[in-house]
Amino acid sequence: AQKVTQAQTEISVVEKEDVTLDCVYETRDTTYYLFWYKQPPSGELVFLIRRNSFDEQNEISGRYSWNFQKSTSSFNFTITASQVVDSAVYFCALSLNQAGTALIFGKGTTLSVSS
Amino acid sequence: EPEVTQTPSHQVTQMGQEVILRCVPISNHLYFYWYRQILGQKVEFLVSFYNNEISEKSEIFDDQFSVERPDGSNFTLKIRSTKLEDSAMYFCASSGSGVEAFFGQGTRLTVV
Repeated sequence: AQKVTQAQTEISVVEKEDVTLDCVYETRDTTYYLFWYKQPPSGELVFLIRRNSFDEQNEISGRYSWNFQKSTSSFNFTITASQVVDSAVYFCALSLNQAGTALIFGKGTTLSVSS
Repeated sequence: EPEVTQTPSHQVTQMGQEVILRCVPISNHLYFYWYRQILGQKVEFLVSFYNNEISEKSEIFDDQFSVERPDGSNFTLKIRSTKLEDSAMYFCASSGSGVEAFFGQGTRLTVV
């Protein structure tokens, strides 16, 4: 069975601090995809990144970066120089390599950035 | 930028009533999904739909639920006889590749 664990329920930081959101996943499949979604207070789910299991290169997009390590089954998300607008719930998710298959979400981490 | 749109944004219904939640997926996407999120909890998969049929469904998606693509643009979720525990945010999503999913803004269903 597949599972995604986001052990950090809530994180509070002050603006300009760096923050890392942890994600640990479980699957027996060798081919899978990992995702991060952002859910701002308005409620929608915003796609941030997709990573497949064969691509362990870290990715950077502006202030966002992702660290994928298969050896520890982790796909962590770092926000550099956090801003108040980063305040949201962040979900990590997993899907298998099968078109149309379900996304399995973690419970989410609530990030609060204060000014 | 193309987006998934859902209507209504909020629906209040009496227990036992039928509700239909509507979604317009991104055009040329082939895979469609419904997820739900009970307040403060994680997002849970309900059903996926491809080539005019259900391709996968979860335990939550029981006989009270059904999905339909009545025309070339809409994708609906019907709950036949709503229960209090059906109160949640319902998200529609679509995908071109069947891998990543792009979500709508959600419909908040409140059953009273």
